Amino acid sequence: GAVVSQHPSRVICKSGTSVKIECRSLDFQATTMFWYRQFPKQSLMLMATSNEGSKATYEQGVEKDKFLINHASLTLSTLTVTSAHPEDSSFYICSARDYNRGLSPPLHFGNGTRLTVT
Amino acid sequence: ELKVEQNPLFLSMQEGKNYTIYCNYSTTSDRLYWYRQDPGKSLESLFVLLSNGAVKQEGRLMASLDTKARLSTLHITAAVHDLSATYFCVGETSGSRLTFGEGTQLTVNP
Repeated sequence: GAVVSQHPSRVICKSGTSVKIECRSLDFQATTMFWYRQFPKQSLMLMATSNEGSKATYEQGVEKDKFLINHASLTLSTLTVTSAHPEDSSFYICSARDYNRGLSPPLHFGNGTRLTVT
Repeated sequence: ELKVEQNPLFLSMQEGKNYTIYCNYSTTSDRLYWYRQDPGKSLESLFVLLSNGAVKQEGRLMASLDTKARLSTLHITAAVHDLSATYFCVGETSGSRLTFGEGTQLTVNP
């Protein structure tokens, strides 16, 4: 079963509203989680690294004030798209690594969230 | 900064045929992954390659890694329609940061 749960799987919102996406590690603790964005027919681009108890690290070109990341617990990171616009419509995927699983800790991806801004 | 390039980006092949997808990366990568993505879905892990000369096989797919050439390959043997998907080569650098290739959209025709 899924070890990283992402919610919601799909969301449609109007321009100017904010949307929160949750990423949970179900049976392990994740001090670090990663958020990716994928536009249609394109590859995944790392947006930011979410760090439990501290500020997220954003990739170049990603607006911190627009994509708010909160990692308040060891099992939950949230991505809030603020004042969403149609160009923010995309597929957002989170990932986390389970460091309790030996020398080669597996990397798990959430099922993704399809955001459509109308 | 790690860069990952795949080719081809689009591949249309007939069932039963063999083909190889190539992945070149620019700098040292801690790990090299191959993922599969079906339309509208998240990523399915296929292989993790850790060291030079690593070869892994699962069903009709076989992945290899040559760290000296900075090249990984994903070989498809006797393709079937169910293999139609997009395949990503992904490099990892320190701190678990992943860099994705552009993806290879594979279509297997009957």
